[in-house]
Amino acid sequence: GAGVSQSPSNKVTEKGKDVELRCDPISGHTALYWYRQSLGQGLEFLIYFQGNSAPDKSGLPSDRFSAERTGGSVSTLTIQRTQQEDSAVYLCASSLERERTATDTQYFGPGTRLTVL
Amino acid sequence: GDSVTQMEGPVTLSEEAFLTINCTYTATGYPSLFWYVQYPGEGLQLLLKATKADDKGSNKGFEATYRKETTSFHLEKGSVQVSDSAVYFCASREAGGSYIPTFGRGTSLIVHP
Repeated sequence: GAGVSQSPSNKVTEKGKDVELRCDPISGHTALYWYRQSLGQGLEFLIYFQGNSAPDKSGLPSDRFSAERTGGSVSTLTIQRTQQEDSAVYLCASSLERERTATDTQYFGPGTRLTVL
Repeated sequence: GDSVTQMEGPVTLSEEAFLTINCTYTATGYPSLFWYVQYPGEGLQLLLKATKADDKGSNKGFEATYRKETTSFHLEKGSVQVSDSAVYFCASREAGGSYIPTFGRGTSLIVHP
């Protein structure tokens, strides 16, 4: 079946512009995550949606970053007034997680490579 | 907070060599442990996992054993292939609390023919 998809695959923008990154999770997956992957770094957690619970936004690096998940499916990560340090690969993942659990596998999308000039 | 430490790469091996990538974790409880692999140009995909102490995860010839006494989850493969060249990420996730997975920095593996 279809995996996690992300769009666009590449995004080049100018400093100060806003960008929106989209994630389509696997159908039926209740949990959705956003991560940032910078060169030579691990995955930096940004935000976690699980079912109807309030999202865990503890990883968002500043108030320029926000995310929403509509209808428990598609998610959009928005970065306002982009800065050069926002350049990275943004990864989305989903997992089944009918309830909060630590054992479920995450399924990752291919990522969006964001370059801020 | 929780953390995951992996050996730094790149790890460069010849085909058919033995592979070990070390991973240790810190946690307040007993997390689930995962190895994910990222092939060039792709997202991460699960390689194997173990959800309790002494469990062994295995897949595609790779193995890792959950060692509570040494808080480790080292990845091993007896004979690597060129197609195993990728970046490998160790991750932990605790039940309770935030449930947010913690990832290591990744270890790049390069296998030469």
